[in-house]
Amino acid sequence: DGGITQSPKYLFRKEGQNVTLSCEQNLNHDAMYWYRQDPGQGLRLIYYSQIVNDFQKGDIAEGYSVSREKKESFPLTVTSAQKNPTAFYLCASSPGTGWVTGYTFGSGTRLTVV
Amino acid sequence: QKEVEQNSGPLSVPEGAIASLNCTYSDRGSQSFFWYRQYSGKSPELIMFIYSNGDKEDGRFTAQLNKASQYVSLLIRDSQPSDSATYLCAVNNSSGAGSYQLTFGKGTKLSVIP
Repeated sequence: DGGITQSPKYLFRKEGQNVTLSCEQNLNHDAMYWYRQDPGQGLRLIYYSQIVNDFQKGDIAEGYSVSREKKESFPLTVTSAQKNPTAFYLCASSPGTGWVTGYTFGSGTRLTVV
Repeated sequence: QKEVEQNSGPLSVPEGAIASLNCTYSDRGSQSFFWYRQYSGKSPELIMFIYSNGDKEDGRFTAQLNKASQYVSLLIRDSQPSDSATYLCAVNNSSGAGSYQLTFGKGTKLSVIP
């Protein structure tokens, strides 16, 4: 079945550590997105990529980095520069016409700083 | 900055009643409108989309769009306890940075009381 797989489901980070969240899709979608969701808050866009080897900053990119070396994969690294990383992270993908079809979301990764 | 506004709720309705969820948006050029349902701790799932003024029905769900008033709504008929979730409104950006991206509202929490 086609879909988006995020791993791990839960992740714990110590202060000063970098951690990488995985996002893989087999929907043959061109575009991929990373969102952060805090309790009671909406989705805030971190980074997005419309084609391989190209990505753009979203509204809250500081302290995060991404890569898009393959169409299927869009990993997100939460660096030590992100001072408040505890949140629910959602990866999404869409075809090039995502503004018409909407986005498909992965199941999310819950990151906690310990 | 494109804005999508929703009443955060919670909106409480008795089982069997009609739940009415509302959303306003600032981008007058927006062309596509989406409703996502998000259960607590889970990722959003697409339940409805609408492009044209008027009503669109799918089972117990009806999406209503009024572009002149920049208003989109979701009606849930015969509400069930399983409809209890947060409903996110999403609207495409028509221009500028992030053109054709979706902007999400913060969501309305719906509680259906048995």
